[in-house]
Amino acid sequence: GIQVEQSPPDLILQEGANSTLRCNFSDSVNNLQWFHQNPWGQLINLFYIPSGTKQNGRLSATTVATERYSLLYISSSQTTDSGVYFCAVVYAGNNRKLIWGLGTSLAVNP
Amino acid sequence: DAMVIQNPRYQVTQFGKPVTLSCSQTLNHNVMYWYQQKSSQAPKLLFHYYDKDFNNEADTPDNFQSRRPNTSFCFLDIRSPGLGDAAMYLCATSREGGYQPQHFGDGTRLSIL
Repeated sequence: GIQVEQSPPDLILQEGANSTLRCNFSDSVNNLQWFHQNPWGQLINLFYIPSGTKQNGRLSATTVATERYSLLYISSSQTTDSGVYFCAVVYAGNNRKLIWGLGTSLAVNP
Repeated sequence: DAMVIQNPRYQVTQFGKPVTLSCSQTLNHNVMYWYQQKSSQAPKLLFHYYDKDFNNEADTPDNFQSRRPNTSFCFLDIRSPGLGDAAMYLCATSREGGYQPQHFGDGTRLSIL
């Protein structure tokens, strides 16, 4: 089956810093989503981005499907950005099931 | 706003006492999913419904069952909860499956006494 790898596993930032999170996947995908899980456990859908680039405020994401990776950019980080960021994909081998990376745990310090 | 709603947010039950978690959606999506998430791990798919068609993951314990009486509602039944079933349970929906994003509820955190 497909492998989804996220890096780095842990990240500590000072408020105001920028960061890039990476998601590599080992096969072609039909769907790629980035999620933020906050400290209360809520899983928030950040981007649906099987290819191309999207921006939403301080966050943006780029997926290069032909090279099998996606990047999530966080600019001017805030303490509320803390939590775990998950990348999850759907690939042609199983059309409805999200395959998840292990996540990047982000802590933003004031 | 259209959304996925899970009740309750927190549920406490006793070891071995059956418990039911509920999920409703106003998105009119065809597919509904149940996930289990334990601390510091990614969500793990238990099963999903495509309309009324039930799809169980191979490694989902028999202790977990689900019902979808109509498009809007889906229930997770845990027949005899053990201590290892304490977790966050997440419900999600999508319009047609793989080519459409999944939308998640806020989850139910289950504790076992």
